Amino acid sequence: SQQGEEDPQALSIQEGENATMNCSYKTSINNLQWYRQNSGRGLVHLILIRSNEREKHSGRLRVTLDTSKKSSSLLITASRAADTASYFCATDENGGFKTIFGAGTRLFVKA
Amino acid sequence: DTEVTQTPKHLVMGMTNKKSLKCEQHMGHRAMYWYKQKAKKPPELMFVYSYEKLSINESVPSRFSPECPNSSLLNLHLHALQPEDSALYLCASSRTGGNYGYTFGSGTRLTVV
Repeated sequence: SQQGEEDPQALSIQEGENATMNCSYKTSINNLQWYRQNSGRGLVHLILIRSNEREKHSGRLRVTLDTSKKSSSLLITASRAADTASYFCATDENGGFKTIFGAGTRLFVKA
Repeated sequence: DTEVTQTPKHLVMGMTNKKSLKCEQHMGHRAMYWYKQKAKKPPELMFVYSYEKLSINESVPSRFSPECPNSSLLNLHLHALQPEDSALYLCASSRTGGNYGYTFGSGTRLTVV
């Protein structure tokens, strides 16, 4: 089953613009994570936000979590061509051993 | 060492072959995972090992057989696969569970002919 649903499915922006991706989920969670995947290779962990946190920053990344709406957003500021990748949200079940990934957002940043 | 190493990077096998995928980490992580990912789809969980014991099997067909020889190694034995099993197979590890995030390997691109 798919826990996280993301939108948009694809996003194309110019370099320097901000990119916002959204994720919705269905069940209660301990944490929500965001990952980046380049060209169908391994996923890179970007940021983890716990259920008792509302906002978290890491460099050009800003993640928000609204547990009442069961949703999260990932903001990438001042995007670069190197940010071109697929971005997945992931939520945990079963005490954190069963992480379910959303469908992903494919981001294309034009130079 | 903050990496998960997967070998081989690419594998082409016939439907009657037996092959193995290997995964190694030296971060002291006690949970290791196999995921399967088809093109333009999210990773799908296959197996979870916690403290070298199989804790989750997501109803994966028996032609996929996982093995965890020790806390640093994870294998996926493949036998009599079908062309629809062609996919990117990802290994991941974490401290215990996902409360600190997962470290993924670069994956093995498997093609079954």
